[in-house]
Amino acid sequence: NAGVTQTPKFRVLKTGQSMTLLCAQDMNHEYMYWYRQDPGMGLRLIHYSVGEGTTAKGEVPDGYNVSRLKKQNFLLGLESAAPSQTSVYFCASSLAGVDGELFFGEGSRLTVL
Amino acid sequence: GDSVTQMEGPVTLSEEAFLTINCTYTATGYPSLFWYVQYPGEGLQLLLKATKADDKGSNKGFEATYRKETTSFHLEKGSVQVSDSAVYFCALTPNSGNTPLVFGKGTRLSVIA
Repeated sequence: NAGVTQTPKFRVLKTGQSMTLLCAQDMNHEYMYWYRQDPGMGLRLIHYSVGEGTTAKGEVPDGYNVSRLKKQNFLLGLESAAPSQTSVYFCASSLAGVDGELFFGEGSRLTVL
Repeated sequence: GDSVTQMEGPVTLSEEAFLTINCTYTATGYPSLFWYVQYPGEGLQLLLKATKADDKGSNKGFEATYRKETTSFHLEKGSVQVSDSAVYFCALTPNSGNTPLVFGKGTRLSVIA
């Protein structure tokens, strides 16, 4: 049982480059989330989705776009990377509703030079 | 808006010491409260939760009681082990709508033998 899988796990970008982080879950969960984790800031929600074809903004959405074309996948895109987007990104999913346990991926470390 | 405040780390304890990590919250209505744990190099995982006032969540020797009167959900363990070294996050979900988890900034715990 793979759970939540993020790819890639590490990436180095130059300022202005674009990239996409892929999150895949095999638990048939309705809800999916993208968080970023920075020292001293904890986890901050970037975007989330409550079902296939839906997305919503979280606390820090600027500079990111997302898509949920398939229920099992949630993509996070950076169109023009900036050094401020250097972070560890975590994807999570939950079965339904906000009381549901979140299952997290192992994280993707992104460095923007 | 809803928020979670937890004690600043890092916390360093000797093995078998008593652990308390303080967590207080601000929320309208009756939120559900959670503790998540992040072991080195991994994503977060649910440690325990409580969904109504006076509920006690417990798991792996850790406990936390939902105190509405003091808006707190402090994490405790009677005797910590080296394997408990991790970052601990307090979190809440608001009582209404589909608003995702709000996390505290995390408290790093180091247990030394």
